[in-house]
Amino acid sequence: DTEVTQTPKHLVMGMTNKKSLKCEQHMGHRAMYWYKQKAKKPPELMFVYSYEKLSINESVPSRFSPECPNSSLLNLHLHALQPEDSALYLCASSQDGQGHSPQHFGDGTRLSIL
Amino acid sequence: RKEVEQDPGPFNVPEGATVAFNCTYSNSASQSFFWYRQDCRKEPKLLMSVYSSGNEDGRFTAQLNRASQYISLLIRDSKLSDSATYLCVVNNQAGTALIFGKGTTLSVSS
Repeated sequence: DTEVTQTPKHLVMGMTNKKSLKCEQHMGHRAMYWYKQKAKKPPELMFVYSYEKLSINESVPSRFSPECPNSSLLNLHLHALQPEDSALYLCASSQDGQGHSPQHFGDGTRLSIL
Repeated sequence: RKEVEQDPGPFNVPEGATVAFNCTYSNSASQSFFWYRQDCRKEPKLLMSVYSSGNEDGRFTAQLNRASQYISLLIRDSKLSDSATYLCVVNNQAGTALIFGKGTTLSVSS
């Protein structure tokens, strides 16, 4: 069982839709992350939140909009996505945002863009 | 030089074999090193952290060589359930996030 919970597990959406991915952790971790993973590739970092503030944006297109309502929650708002955005979206958390502590992953949202 | 490099494999070994993976990293200032395991269509899971003195967890042994900037993972007495992709992970130059290698695929057969 993962201690990082992601919803939904699967999402199919059209290019004009707006949807949100949600992530929750109750381990008291102060850093949370969004990754994108394509088949047979490693996870690619998208965003890092440290102490509820956005600390890293890896030049992600504006059609992806992260939000951190509190230290336990992380959302990823999606709008006007492209077919190439279809991927597994992973949320992770760690004790710190310094890259010193290991990250714990949720089981991901598998996103398909029609 | 890429930040984290791994031999993608695949490594195909019989049950009971010993197998070793290496990983090189480019940032000499990196302080944190990990091995993750990822099964097909699943999330990465932390296998073990890698400490300067080397560390062991059951059949798994991790080593760090700072002078040569590589880390290794040794798996003894391979099981069918060890079949997975093993990801080498190092903290980035700014020390603000973790960088994943492309992974090494292991297939253990009976």
